[in-house]
Amino acid sequence: GIQVEQSPPDLILQEGANSTLRCNFSDSVNNLQWFHQNPWGQLINLFYIPSGTKQNGRLSATTVATERYSLLYISSSQTTDSGVYFCAVSNAGGTSYGKLTFGQGTILTVHP
Amino acid sequence: NAGVTQTPKFQVLKTGQSMTLQCAQDMNHEYMSWYRQDPGMGLRLIHYSVGAGITDQGEVPNGYNVSRSTTEDFPLRLLSAAPSQTSVYFCASSYSSPGMRTQYFGPGTRLLVL
Repeated sequence: GIQVEQSPPDLILQEGANSTLRCNFSDSVNNLQWFHQNPWGQLINLFYIPSGTKQNGRLSATTVATERYSLLYISSSQTTDSGVYFCAVSNAGGTSYGKLTFGQGTILTVHP
Repeated sequence: NAGVTQTPKFQVLKTGQSMTLQCAQDMNHEYMSWYRQDPGMGLRLIHYSVGAGITDQGEVPNGYNVSRSTTEDFPLRLLSAAPSQTSVYFCASSYSSPGMRTQYFGPGTRLLVL
């Protein structure tokens, strides 16, 4: 099956700093999503981005499908950005489009 | 909209007991799925469904059953609980149309099997 590798595994920032999280995948994909899991365990979808670039406030994401990677940018980080960031992908066709394979996540800690 | 809801929030079982984890969504999503999250292992897909009456296995289906009789509900059944099934369980749903396949997760059910 498809392999997903996220880096770095851990990231510690001061409030206001910028950061880039990376997701590498081993095969072509037709579904790629970024999630944030907050300290209370809730998983929030940040982006559905199988290709191209999207922005939502201080967050943006770029997926270069031909080179098999995606980047999540966090600008002017805040303490509320702390948590685990997951990249999840799928390359399944037909009715299996939602069979996401998750990476191990990047643990982000933002200090005030 | 309530989104994706899960019950119970927390459950303790003894080995061999059975139980059903409930999941419901009010967004008219065709696709629903169950994941388990274990420390250091990310999320792994258990079972999924692309519509009422249609289910299929994910990566770790053993020990779990599902059925989908309505668009809204997708219960997960543990037939005979084992300590290895101690985990946090998440239900998710999405539309099926390309470009609209953003997955929305429920709050999770924390299960402890003694």
